[in-house]
Amino acid sequence: AQKVTQAQTEISVVEKEDVTLDCVYETRDTTYYLFWYKQPPSGELVFLIRRNSFDEQNEISGRYSWNFQKSTSSFNFTITASQVVDSAVYFCALISNFGNEKLTFGTGTRLTIIP
Amino acid sequence: KAGVTQTPRYLIKTRGQQVTLSCSPISGHRSVSWYQQTPGQGLQFLFEYFSETQRNKGNFPGRFSGRQFSNSRSEMNVSTLELGDSALYLCASSGGGAESSYEQYFGPGTRLTVT
Repeated sequence: AQKVTQAQTEISVVEKEDVTLDCVYETRDTTYYLFWYKQPPSGELVFLIRRNSFDEQNEISGRYSWNFQKSTSSFNFTITASQVVDSAVYFCALISNFGNEKLTFGTGTRLTIIP
Repeated sequence: KAGVTQTPRYLIKTRGQQVTLSCSPISGHRSVSWYQQTPGQGLQFLFEYFSETQRNKGNFPGRFSGRQFSNSRSEMNVSTLELGDSALYLCASSGGGAESSYEQYFGPGTRLTVT
């Protein structure tokens, strides 16, 4: 069985502050993919990043960065210099058991950026 | 390239009725997955179709069914609607084949309200 835990239900920060969203996952598979999605008020899930289990190299993309650590089964997401447009619900997700495309989602973290 | 489209965007039905939702994937994508999102249960996987075959199924009752056509478009049907079926139904598409990146791209969703 696989599971994704996002312990932070809601986070509020003042604009321009940095914020980190936590994600912890469980899977028995040695090969898996991890994802982050953003869901703005419009409702559509927007794909942000994918990492596979063999690549622990951290990644930076503009104001976004991701920290993948297999030793702690964590895949955290940091937004630097937050902006009001970053306000959304962020979901961490996992795919394993290849041969299908079933995403297991965490419960999401609602991020509010206060102007 | 056009994104994933879902129709209708909003739907109001009465208990006991049935409903059909439609999803058109990104051109060239052969895998279509369906998810149900509710405040109480979060994002839950319904089923996935690949090349007109159901490849994986979540833990939903038989009232929930789907199909995929030769052009990869997919429909899901819910029969004998219950109040608890009120939700945002999201469709996602991905390549789906052996070369799949497992990146799923979501449509805007269909918000179903059952009264």
